[in-house]
Amino acid sequence: AQSVTQPDIHITVSEGASLELRCNYSYGATPYLFWYVQSPGQGLQLLLKYFSGDTLVQGIKGFEAEFKRSQSSFNLRKPSVHWSDAAEYFCAVNQAGTALIFGKGTTLSVSS
Amino acid sequence: DADVTQTPRNRITKTGKRIMLECSQTKGHDRMYWYRQDPGLGLRLIYYSFDVKDINKGEISDGYSVSRQAQAKFSLSLESAIPNQTALYFCATSDPRDRLGTDTQYFGPGTRLTVL
Repeated sequence: AQSVTQPDIHITVSEGASLELRCNYSYGATPYLFWYVQSPGQGLQLLLKYFSGDTLVQGIKGFEAEFKRSQSSFNLRKPSVHWSDAAEYFCAVNQAGTALIFGKGTTLSVSS
Repeated sequence: DADVTQTPRNRITKTGKRIMLECSQTKGHDRMYWYRQDPGLGLRLIYYSFDVKDINKGEISDGYSVSRQAQAKFSLSLESAIPNQTALYFCATSDPRDRLGTDTQYFGPGTRLTVL
């Protein structure tokens, strides 16, 4: 069965430091992969998506993600974190013909 | 104006009551979805609809029902609410014919439901 794993439940990063959020998926075919962000009290906003081609994907707010088929991973990165990046981040895979399968999320805290 | 709207945004109700959550969209998408979010569990799919005549159960449909009244409207009902249905509920829409063909989902702001 398709699944998405986000190994880190909670991460704390200093403001200005780099960030990497991990995501591993289990999917038989080439997946469509997504990262969403949920700020406190808000809905989900799409950060970026991968569907084919270049394995390094650029998104909004300075985020990028790299698809590594050999590792079944789609990790999210940002070179310098801002306090406003504190939020919950969800990785998701599109199951063809149905709906998204989400990971359980990673909460990012930013310390000053 | 928001493309995907949900009403109400917050609701407190009692065990046994019937509750309806509504979702409307102006994106012109055929596909609509209902998810619930619980702390530490991420989002789980309740029901989805690929067009007005199509309704499908998701991972956790027990205790819920849906109605697709029109392309733009998709309602979620709890016939007899129970406390473990306390959660944040999200509606989403997508278009499999979007520019990249990725069927990207766009989410509403959510409805926070508390069942006492």
